[in-house]
Amino acid sequence: GAGVSQSPSNKVTEKGKDVELRCDPISGHTALYWYRQSLGQGLEFLIYFQGNSAPDKSGLPSDRFSAERTGGSVSTLTIQRTQQEDSAVYLCASRPTGQGYNSPLHFGNGTRLTVT
Amino acid sequence: AQRVTQPEKLLSVFKGAPVELKCNYSYSGSPELFWYVQYSRQRLQLLLRHISRESIKGFTADLNKGETSFHLKKPFAQEEDSAMYYCALMNNAGNMLTFGGGTRLMVKP
Repeated sequence: GAGVSQSPSNKVTEKGKDVELRCDPISGHTALYWYRQSLGQGLEFLIYFQGNSAPDKSGLPSDRFSAERTGGSVSTLTIQRTQQEDSAVYLCASRPTGQGYNSPLHFGNGTRLTVT
Repeated sequence: AQRVTQPEKLLSVFKGAPVELKCNYSYSGSPELFWYVQYSRQRLQLLLRHISRESIKGFTADLNKGETSFHLKKPFAQEEDSAMYYCALMNNAGNMLTFGGGTRLMVKP
């Protein structure tokens, strides 16, 4: 079946603009995760959704970052007033939660964000 | 807090040589550990998980709770194993998968 889909695959924006990144998880996967992968850095956890709920937003780097998920499916990550340090690959992953916490995450291809 | 450490950023070996990618973790609960791999221009994907005790593409990893390690091993490296490898730990709540910094494995012919 279809995997996790992210759009756009690449986004170039000017500093100060807002951007919206989209993630379509695998159908039926209730858990959804956002990560940021910066050049030379590992994967930084941003936020987790169980259904539409994100109980812990403390991983978001600043209040310019927000995320939502509607209908238990599509999620959007919004970055307001982008800064150059926001340039990174933003990865989305999903997994089914009925199989225990050892079920693996399925990742999308990511959105490469470049802030000029 | 949970933490995963991969001490080597780059590991370069010749084809046919043994490989060991190190991973150490810190977690107060019962850890669920994974190895993910990212080949060039491909998405991050699961390689293996500790609970399955399986060998995938010749790779194995044993959880050593005494040493808090989950090193990835392969007896004979192949050129197609060249990739970025990430060790990861899932907390017991299932709401956070923490990754190590990754190790780039280069297998030379």
